[in-house]
Amino acid sequence: EPEVTQTPSHQVTQMGQEVILRCVPISNHLYFYWYRQILGQKVEFLVSFYNNEISEKSEIFDDQFSVERPDGSNFTLKIRSTKLEDSAMYFCASTSQGASGEKLFFGSGTQLSVL
Amino acid sequence: QKEVEQDPGPLSVPEGAIVSLNCTYSNSAFQYFMWYRQYSRKGPELLMYTYSSGNKEDGRFTAQVDKSSKYISLFIRDSQPSDSATYLCAMTYSGNTPLVFGKGTRLSVIA
Repeated sequence: EPEVTQTPSHQVTQMGQEVILRCVPISNHLYFYWYRQILGQKVEFLVSFYNNEISEKSEIFDDQFSVERPDGSNFTLKIRSTKLEDSAMYFCASTSQGASGEKLFFGSGTQLSVL
Repeated sequence: QKEVEQDPGPLSVPEGAIVSLNCTYSNSAFQYFMWYRQYSRKGPELLMYTYSSGNKEDGRFTAQVDKSSKYISLFIRDSQPSDSATYLCAMTYSGNTPLVFGKGTRLSVIA
């Protein structure tokens, strides 16, 4: 069964450093998302991406965040200067339909720890 | 008032029990309702997707939506130890709008 792949599974970084989280969405999917989950908290929407541009972003997704689809397969989330409060599990998700959660597939996540 | 409220549990039941998980929401504009299962250190996995009020059944799982009460439920029949996970409700408005999640209910099914 096709799946969304995320790398790395764990990332430890120092505060102020840049990190890039990588995702390979399911191959025929067109809509891509990043969500995050701080330990013990809700899963929160960060950004959606379609047709090589951001469709929607949350208040969390400030100027320190950016997304990119550098080639036909990868989808990345960059945090330019990490803060302690960026420590969370980051989930990539994709869907072919762009409909409201239907057939939305999540990856296993990247656990980001900012020290 | 929070948009989506879900009792975090933990909820512990014996194998074979019927499990009832619930969420309430405040925004009547929500139109699509989902239940996700999340195992430890894994991403959410879609279990049930519903649009209209009423019941939807899939195997041992039944999702129920009551839009008038702004209340959704997930029932698990004949619960198994493999059902032990965190169950997240999620909902959204329409089109490509992002999902709004509940905090999740942690379920343990004891053999």
